[in-house]
Amino acid sequence: DIQMTQSPSTLSASVGDRVIITCRASQTLHTWLAWYQQKPGKAPQVLIYDASTLQSGVPSRFSGSGSGTEFTLTISSLQPDDFATYYCQQYNTYPTSFGQGTKVEIK
Amino acid sequence: EVQVLESGGGLIQPGGSLRLSCAVSGFTFSRYALTWVRQAPGKGLEWVSAIIRGGSTFYAGSVQGRFTISRDNSKNMVYLHMNSLRAEDTAVYYCAIFGGGCRGGSCYSDWIDPWGQGTLVTVSS
Repeated sequence: DIQMTQSPSTLSASVGDRVIITCRASQTLHTWLAWYQQKPGKAPQVLIYDASTLQSGVPSRFSGSGSGTEFTLTISSLQPDDFATYYCQQYNTYPTSFGQGTKVEIK
Repeated sequence: EVQVLESGGGLIQPGGSLRLSCAVSGFTFSRYALTWVRQAPGKGLEWVSAIIRGGSTFYAGSVQGRFTISRDNSKNMVYLHMNSLRAEDTAVYYCAIFGGGCRGGSCYSDWIDPWGQGTLVTVSS
């Protein structure tokens, strides 16, 4: 099974900051990777799929990059609505798997 | 608008059984794969099971042999039958749509969207 490792686990940042979250895979994923945002008590929502494709309706301050085993999610200018937990998901092979999550907190 | 609505969660004793249901509306149900993902209290996301349009099923190792996923295309419903429940199965269970499938003898997963609001399963005596 493919293991997904996100870093950092927690990130403290201020409104307006540039935020970068990293996801590393134990095997190559090509570009079969998605990013999700989850707020407390709510279901996850997809932000990015295929490593860099922005889901419809997602603000352009979110971007994804990477291929193979290393990927990043970047928030160019953190907004109050962005304080949440972010997960990566690989779908290169079954079983699909998620990273452990990165909580973005208010500094 | 696509809507996904889970039901059937609750409190169940260890060793017991429970069936979760998921009603989907707003799109051509039979064309898509469905999946269940769970989240233990305060923890991350764990994929549980999937069923593709042709009926092939997939399971995480932690539930293989205990959980069964099924679908009823005539009712736009997907189910998760859970047997031999354990305390570690306690979680919010999300039903969701994804584009997984099989082609040329090889099966593939996909990103997941949209998700339902989840239903809580608590396994405790």
